[in-house]
Amino acid sequence: SQQGEEDPQALSIQEGENATMNCSYKTSINNLQWYRQNSGRGLVHLILIRSNEREKHSGRLRVTLDTSKKSSSLLITASRAADTASYFCATDQGGKLIFGQGTELSVKP
Amino acid sequence: GAVVSQHPSWVICKSGTSVKIECRSLDFQATTMFWYRQFPKQSLMLMATSNEGSKATYEQGVEKDKFLINHASLTLSTLTVTSAHPEDSSFYICSARNWLVGKGDEQFFGPGTRLTVL
Repeated sequence: SQQGEEDPQALSIQEGENATMNCSYKTSINNLQWYRQNSGRGLVHLILIRSNEREKHSGRLRVTLDTSKKSSSLLITASRAADTASYFCATDQGGKLIFGQGTELSVKP
Repeated sequence: GAVVSQHPSWVICKSGTSVKIECRSLDFQATTMFWYRQFPKQSLMLMATSNEGSKATYEQGVEKDKFLINHASLTLSTLTVTSAHPEDSSFYICSARNWLVGKGDEQFFGPGTRLTVL
């Protein structure tokens, strides 16, 4: 399977703490994207980082990409209860998006 | 941003019937559309890629005779689950892409269709 791996599978933190999720993949990519999904709902696109970029910021989100290690991380700073959701990385492999297994984040108030 | 809709948002059907799900790009022309399936507590799995006017390309393990995909126009793709069975119950999500929209490498996702087969 070309599906990426994410860790941890589940993460529980207190409001205000930072959350870090990691994603690893196996093949060469055009870009890597992070999505959020609330339970039973559609996907929300968070951030896209291209293969020639190393770091990207968007509000409280920071994404890094290390193509030599075929890995990426998503950092959510100063987490809020509303950040509770599943987070997926997805790699663009020749125009197709291949999703990782996801991290279930729970932020407790 | 570009908007993609799906219809219906949820459907319940009896085993053995066929169900059609529509995916529309509302404000742009989609040169390529993708269909994903997501089982509870699992990730999205790509089922097939469809380009307007040509046959869909199915991922390994996806039965093309069971999941019929039609991409008849640049704004509409349909997924028909034929002779649905309870194991087909899932969340089906489409996405659309146009190489000329934005920087060309973004996919725009629909809100999903929840299929329950009794």
